[in-house]
Amino acid sequence: EAGVTQFPSHSVIEKGQTVTLRCDPISGHDNLYWYRRVMGKEIKFLLHFVKESKQDESGMPNNRFLAERTGGTYSTLKVQPAELEDSGVYFCASSHGKGTYEQYFGPGTRLTVT
Amino acid sequence: AQKITQTQPGMFVQEKEAVTLDCTYDTSDPSYGLFWYKQPSSGEMIFLIYQGSYDQQNATEGRYSLNFQKARKSANLVISASQLGDSAMYFCAMREMAYNTDKLIFGTGTRLQVFP
Repeated sequence: EAGVTQFPSHSVIEKGQTVTLRCDPISGHDNLYWYRRVMGKEIKFLLHFVKESKQDESGMPNNRFLAERTGGTYSTLKVQPAELEDSGVYFCASSHGKGTYEQYFGPGTRLTVT
Repeated sequence: AQKITQTQPGMFVQEKEAVTLDCTYDTSDPSYGLFWYKQPSSGEMIFLIYQGSYDQQNATEGRYSLNFQKARKSANLVISASQLGDSAMYFCAMREMAYNTDKLIFGTGTRLQVFP
């Protein structure tokens, strides 16, 4: 069974540019989560999809961030326009459902905004 | 609000020795779950162990065990017989579940270095 995959692994962009991160969850997992770790700080929740619906987006920093999960499969997280403080590692995780507790994480995308 | 505290930014342990990584938590929910994840230098987050708040026994998974002390609100990770490959960041996390949310709250992590 393939794990959670994320693309790209690393992205370097200039302030003001747009970047789109992609996450492919484990096949059959209805729940998809985005988290972010800014340098030296804790990993913070961004949002949670159940299938294609946003269940909880309380962690999204501001309206420069847009997440989608069309068709309930893969998800994208777009940052537009990017700011310096958006630099960090963006993790995606998926889980089967509320009956199970484990969230399987992807390898993360390291975003550097210069 | 729920919170996870990891007070050890870094820990050193000699190979084959045991090490304890500290984690305390704060929650008012009677039902919760606690996790430990390992993040090696390659970056992926690897699930290690889970403890439910109503579990009667401490969780164990191979060389990993969770020292769960509910009254103290602590969930320390014990790694027995450390190996060089255990060198990594370790994150403690709590599952926050409500009718409209299901997410993990993480601590700041502990960097463990195992030396020969």
